[in-house]
Amino acid sequence: QVQLVESGGGVVQPGGSLRLSCVASGFTFSNYDIHWVRQTPAKGLEWVASIRFVGSPQYYGDSVKGRFTISRDNSKNTVNLQMDSLRGEDTAVYYCARPTSGWAFNHWGQGTLVTVSS
Amino acid sequence: QSALTQPPSASGSPGQSVTISCTGTSSDVGGYNYVSWYQQYPGKAPKLMIYEVSKRPSGVPDRFSGSKSGNTASLTVSGLQAEDEADYYCSSYAGSNNLLFGGGTKLTVL
Repeated sequence: QVQLVESGGGVVQPGGSLRLSCVASGFTFSNYDIHWVRQTPAKGLEWVASIRFVGSPQYYGDSVKGRFTISRDNSKNTVNLQMDSLRGEDTAVYYCARPTSGWAFNHWGQGTLVTVSS
Repeated sequence: QSALTQPPSASGSPGQSVTISCTGTSSDVGGYNYVSWYQQYPGKAPKLMIYEVSKRPSGVPDRFSGSKSGNTASLTVSGLQAEDEADYYCSSYAGSNNLLFGGGTKLTVL
């Protein structure tokens, strides 16, 4: 069955960096775009970034543009999210998600918690 | 771009129907038929319930239905059951490879 497993979350100081990974299994990874979505109690769900199945182009939400970089390695069924210049408002649970069509996500990982705090 | 607007809460008794609204603009909800709805239990990942305004993924009960009129999309849950008590989020494609979510609605089954 389709599985998405995130890792790499943790506690980081403001201005620091963190790299999240999403490892996929159970489907032909190279056929699908992959997205990152984050969630906070205060703001709910927020779309963060996406990457096309061939590796480009990449797209970003306004709040992370210029600070986050999404990449993928189809040989390893992995998508990474490099997060730089982290801020307190980046504190969230980060999910990777696979769309069924267009921008509807029918498969999600379990999420990984990122906490930005001094 | 602002998040889509959902009521913070909704409620209904078992067997009743409840409708949750999701209001955007002509640049998102009103401009594209790419509205989705998700159900989320505490501590769990969201689950897709409706996509492309009114389509149901395999395995989603037909008690769940979606519609859209102008800049407002709606999720209707008919024949409410205790297990439907959860948070519900809408999302809409907003053009320029951007996606917006609503703030979420907590559905309580009385």
